[in-house]
Amino acid sequence: GQQVMQIPQYQHVQEGEDFTTYCNSSTTLSNIQWYKQRPGGHPVFLIQLVKSGEVKKQKRLTFQFGEAKKNSSLHITATQTTDVGTYFCAGRVAGTALIFGKGTTLSVSS
Amino acid sequence: NAGVTQTPKFQVLKTGQSMTLQCAQDMNHNSMYWYRQDPGMGLRLIYYSASEGTTDKGEVPNGYNVSRLNKREFSLRLESAAPSQTSVYFCASSGNRGRSYNEQFFGPGTRLTVL
Repeated sequence: GQQVMQIPQYQHVQEGEDFTTYCNSSTTLSNIQWYKQRPGGHPVFLIQLVKSGEVKKQKRLTFQFGEAKKNSSLHITATQTTDVGTYFCAGRVAGTALIFGKGTTLSVSS
Repeated sequence: NAGVTQTPKFQVLKTGQSMTLQCAQDMNHNSMYWYRQDPGMGLRLIYYSASEGTTDKGEVPNGYNVSRLNKREFSLRLESAAPSQTSVYFCASSGNRGRSYNEQFFGPGTRLTVL
């Protein structure tokens, strides 16, 4: 069945360093969404990408959707302790339910 | 607006017991979902309801049943709980702002332990 693979599973950085998580699908996606889950909390929607090659920015966060619409990335510039949590990508093939990746858990030390 | 609410927040069951997890949303969303989250496994879809009156199986439906009671409410039932069903259960809903725009709003979760 359709799978959405996400790497790395864990990442530890020093505050101020950059962070990137990658998402790959075995099939072409109609769109991809990104969510953040703080420790002990619930997933919260960050953004959706729809177009091939799309790049969107939210302050220090940059989201990309690959040209083939099979991969995506989230890059955080100059991490802060408030960035701690698990970041999930979730991809949708047209007409099907959203499939979540297993997430990347980010820890930040000050 | 409360968004998506779930009850209970915590539950401990013995193997073989049954229970129903309740979920309600006040955003007039058509679609509702039940996920389970296990360490290292991400979010896995159990069942979803694209609209009132319809339900469909997700990735891991075995051992569960659902009821879309009305547009607001979507319940998840465990008929005979097993230790493998120990997990955090999240309910979510999404609206219809065009075919491709459908962010999901999650409830706070139910932490279930089956002994």
